[in-house]
This record gives sequence, C-alpha cells and structure tokens, in this order.
Amino acid sequence: AQSVSQHNHHVILSEAASLELGCNYSYGGTVNLFWYVQYPGQHLQLLLKYFSGDPLVKGIKGFEAEFIKSKFSFNLRKPSVQWSDTAEYFCAFAGSGTYKYIFGTGTRLKVLA
Amino acid sequence: EAGVTQFPSHSVIEKGQTVTLRCDPISGHDNLYWYRRVMGKEIKFLLHFVKESKQDESGMPNNRFLAERTGGTYSTLKVQPAELEDSGVYFCASSPTGTGAWGEQFFGPGTRLTVL
Repeated sequence: AQSVSQHNHHVILSEAASLELGCNYSYGGTVNLFWYVQYPGQHLQLLLKYFSGDPLVKGIKGFEAEFIKSKFSFNLRKPSVQWSDTAEYFCAFAGSGTYKYIFGTGTRLKVLA
Repeated sequence: EAGVTQFPSHSVIEKGQTVTLRCDPISGHDNLYWYRRVMGKEIKFLLHFVKESKQDESGMPNNRFLAERTGGTYSTLKVQPAELEDSGVYFCASSPTGTGAWGEQFFGPGTRLTVL
C-alpha cells in the first residue's frame, strides 16, 4: 500500500534547538518527495522538494531534507529553530508519472521562545 | 498573483443535507485537485482535473460526492446527502500545465465542513 509515516505527531523545542522530523514512505517505484508546512491560519506551502540528483535538498527558511533511497526516508532538518517555525509539517510523495500526493499525518511543531 | 481560493471557509450542516464547496484555482492552472483531511488523520487525495476533465477520481469516497469543473476554471464539490463521517477540512490545490508530477501544487486555505 502507498503510505507515508511521520513518526512524531507533536514536537516541542526551545529556540535554537536542532530539528529533525522523520518521514518514511512506502511505494514500489520512483517517487517525487515533498515537505509542506502550514503555519497557523495560513495555507499549506511548499518547503522543499526532491525529484532527482543530489539527495540533500535545501528549501526555504533554512530547512533541508535528505533522501535516503535504501531507507525509503526523507527526513526534514533545521540546525536552529525559531519561534516562527511553529507550524504543522507534512511529508508527501507522488509516484513518478502520477499527480496525486500521498501525505503523512503531519507533525505539529511548537517552538518555545 | 492571487492564490487558490475556497468558499466557504466553514460550513456546518445537518446530516442528510447537501453542501457545495467551491474552489477557484490560480489563473491559468489547468490542473486542479481536491483533498480531504479528517481530523487527526492524513490529507487524502480525492480527485484531479485537467481542465474540465476528470483525470483521476480514485480517491472519491462514494457516489455521494460529485465534483465538477465547468469550463475548466473553478470547481465545485458537492456532498449529497452529507453523513457524519464527511466532516473534515477539504483542500483544493492547483498546478500549472506542463510541470508534470514534479510540479508544486499550490493549496487553498481549505473549507472546514462539520456535519452534525
């Protein structure tokens, strides 16, 4: 079955702490991978995406993610979080040649000032 | 450039009633998608339009749901009759033509539907 597992449902960090959110996908082919973020009261917006090439992808606001094909993982990282990173983060993939996104359940991050 | 808009932002209806949700994609985007998030669960794909044609409706839960995209512009999603399990947030997204499956989908703010 096609699915995404986000291991942490709620994460609380202090400002300046490092962040790593886990994401594993289940799919029997090539994938395009995404991290989306939803800030309070705002739309879902794209943080970063991976299609091919360098497995370490850099996104907006200092976020990066690493695609490890052998582990079916696409973990999101940020070396030092800010209060403004408080949001819900969604990992998703689309099978190559398909348009529909398969999302994980999301991780709510709260950063304490 | 205006983003994806959805109307209404909230809707509260009784079980058995009908509700119609509307999505206006970004101008010029031929691809339009509907997704739904039931509370606490993942965001699930419902269907994909290319212009006015349904490209993939594999995620539509049952025949109480009807999506249309007349003229290839805005889209509506009708639920008739609504059931309790239809409660959730309905998201619409759009993407430009030619970007393929690797293109970013731009999401609207969602419509929160509550069925009592």
